[in-house]
Amino acid sequence: NAGVTQTPKFQVLKTGQSMTLQCAQDMNHEYMSWYRQDPGMGLRLIHYSVGAGITDQGEVPNGYNVSRSTTEDFPLRLLSAAPSQTSVYFCASTHSYEQYFGPGTRLTVT
Amino acid sequence: GENVEQHPSTLSVQEGDSAVIKCTYSDSASNYFPWYKQELGKRPQLIIDIRSNVGEKKDQRIAVTLNKTAKHFSLHITETQPEDSAVYFCAAKVGDSGGGADGLTFGKGTHLIIQP
Repeated sequence: NAGVTQTPKFQVLKTGQSMTLQCAQDMNHEYMSWYRQDPGMGLRLIHYSVGAGITDQGEVPNGYNVSRSTTEDFPLRLLSAAPSQTSVYFCASTHSYEQYFGPGTRLTVT
Repeated sequence: GENVEQHPSTLSVQEGDSAVIKCTYSDSASNYFPWYKQELGKRPQLIIDIRSNVGEKKDQRIAVTLNKTAKHFSLHITETQPEDSAVYFCAAKVGDSGGGADGLTFGKGTHLIIQP
């Protein structure tokens, strides 16, 4: 049981490039979320999903897309990276209120 | 939407003393209040949580209290130890029966420093 996994661990992008941050969980949780963490800002919700085929926006969704084709996977897409998207990204799955976080992806956009 | 305020942003205590971190929330419908500990470079880890149907919960040296009327909740750590040094986050959410709903709203964090 690997829990919540994220790839890559680190990524450097140039402004305007696109990429997908991968997130997977093997706990059969229906609820999954993406957060970004910036210094002094806590964690802020980007997008979330309450089950396969259902997604919704969180507090800071601009510049990010998500999809949920399976229960296990919840990828986060950056269509055109901007320096303001430099951050640490955490994926989480939820069961019975408790959120389980992945190890995070540190993204730098230059 | 929900807004969570957390104080203080930095807290320094002597080893063995107690530490208290306070949070307030805005949405009276919030019913789940977890606390996370995050060490440098690591993911947030749940240390304790409380639901709105109880006023206090304790787990060894850690306790959380909730005042629904005043919309605030607090983390209490007694007999602090060097390994308690970390950043602590409070959070709140309106949870449904499935527990997931729309994600957590976090406070900005408290850097707890345990002085030897």
